[in-house]
Amino acid sequence: SQQGEEDPQALSIQEGENATMNCSYKTSINNLQWYRQNSGRGLVHLILIRSNEREKHSGRLRVTLDTSKKSSSLLITASRAADTASYFCATDRDDYKLSFGAGTTVTVRA
Amino acid sequence: DGGITQSPKYLFRKEGQNVTLSCEQNLNHDAMYWYRQDPGQGLRLIYYSQIVNDFQKGDIAEGYSVSREKKESFPLTVTSAQKNPTAFYLCASSILQGMGNQPQHFGDGTRLSIL
Repeated sequence: SQQGEEDPQALSIQEGENATMNCSYKTSINNLQWYRQNSGRGLVHLILIRSNEREKHSGRLRVTLDTSKKSSSLLITASRAADTASYFCATDRDDYKLSFGAGTTVTVRA
Repeated sequence: DGGITQSPKYLFRKEGQNVTLSCEQNLNHDAMYWYRQDPGQGLRLIYYSQIVNDFQKGDIAEGYSVSREKKESFPLTVTSAQKNPTAFYLCASSILQGMGNQPQHFGDGTRLSIL
């Protein structure tokens, strides 16, 4: 079952600009994760934020979590061509399973 | 280097044929998962396993079967009962620890098409 929903579905930005995408979910969570998928490849884990955390950074990535609004955002700063990919949020389900959204496709133009 | 290896990268299935997708990990992870990804969509869980010789159905298990005879291996068979098998199949693994779910590590997928 799909709990997370990303917004927007697609995003096109100029190299050097920031990219922001959002994830909304329906039920309470222990943690939320963000993944990146390059075309034709598997997913790569980017960052995990726990339900008692509000913000987390990793390099050029900044993730926020608002449990009262059941939403999270992923910000990529100073984007590069290599950031072109699809980005997925994933929330935990019971029994060590994850629920993935449909993703946001980000295109970074040179 | 530790990781997950899926093979083959591309696979073609004839009508009425069963095909098996391979997934091997050397990360010493207990849990393994199979997902199906259709164009423009997220991942849907087919089967998962938390321990050797045990596995559970996910959200779309009909037409698929798995086995977990070794910790490192979790092959997926797409049977002839799966009428729409064309998709990108992803295998993943994770440790089992603590509250909530741990990051999953993914292979590079197998793209299955119908001949």
